[in-house]
Amino acid sequence: NAGVTQTPKFRVLKTGQSMTLLCAQDMNHEYMYWYRQDPGMGLRLIHYSVGEGTTAKGEVPDGYNVSRLKKQNFLLGLESAAPSQTSVYFCASSFSGTPYGYTFGSGTRLTVV
Amino acid sequence: DQQVKQNSPSLSVQEGRISILNCDYTNSMFDYFLWYKKYPAEGPTFLISISSIKDKNEDGRFTVFLNKSAKHLSLHIVPSQPGDSAVYFCAASYLGGTSYGKLTFGQGTILTVHP
Repeated sequence: NAGVTQTPKFRVLKTGQSMTLLCAQDMNHEYMYWYRQDPGMGLRLIHYSVGEGTTAKGEVPDGYNVSRLKKQNFLLGLESAAPSQTSVYFCASSFSGTPYGYTFGSGTRLTVV
Repeated sequence: DQQVKQNSPSLSVQEGRISILNCDYTNSMFDYFLWYKKYPAEGPTFLISISSIKDKNEDGRFTVFLNKSAKHLSLHIVPSQPGDSAVYFCAASYLGGTSYGKLTFGQGTILTVHP
């Protein structure tokens, strides 16, 4: 029972490069979320999805795009990476769309140079 | 505009003593509060929560207190153990239909418990 799996775990990008972070969950959860964690800022919501084929903006969506083509996967894309996007990215899923019952992945540490 | 604040970046306590972690919020719509624990290189894991209809919730060594009038909550760990050393995040949400389970986090407090 893997829970929420994030790939890759680490990545270094050059400014202007693009990449996609993958989040996969095997719990049949409807709701999925992408957060970023920065020192002194806690975790901030980037985008979220309330079901397959849906996405919505969170608190800090600029510079990111997302897709939820399959229920189990939630992809976070950076089209043109900037140093300000250096962060640790966490994906989470929830069955009911309530604040309880979250499962977080172990994170992706991204450095943009 | 930080709606959830943890004003203590770090806390150091002796094993066996009480750890008290504090959290303040500004948004009156929040009606559900959670504490998460995070170890290095891992995702946050749920610790304990409280609804705004309560002022206290206990789970073993962990107790969360909520003071709605002061918009303040605290997490008490008694007795503290070295394995409790981690980053603790306070989070808030509301149970309304358009919430979709979104969480607003505080900055985190690094707890170190010394043997």
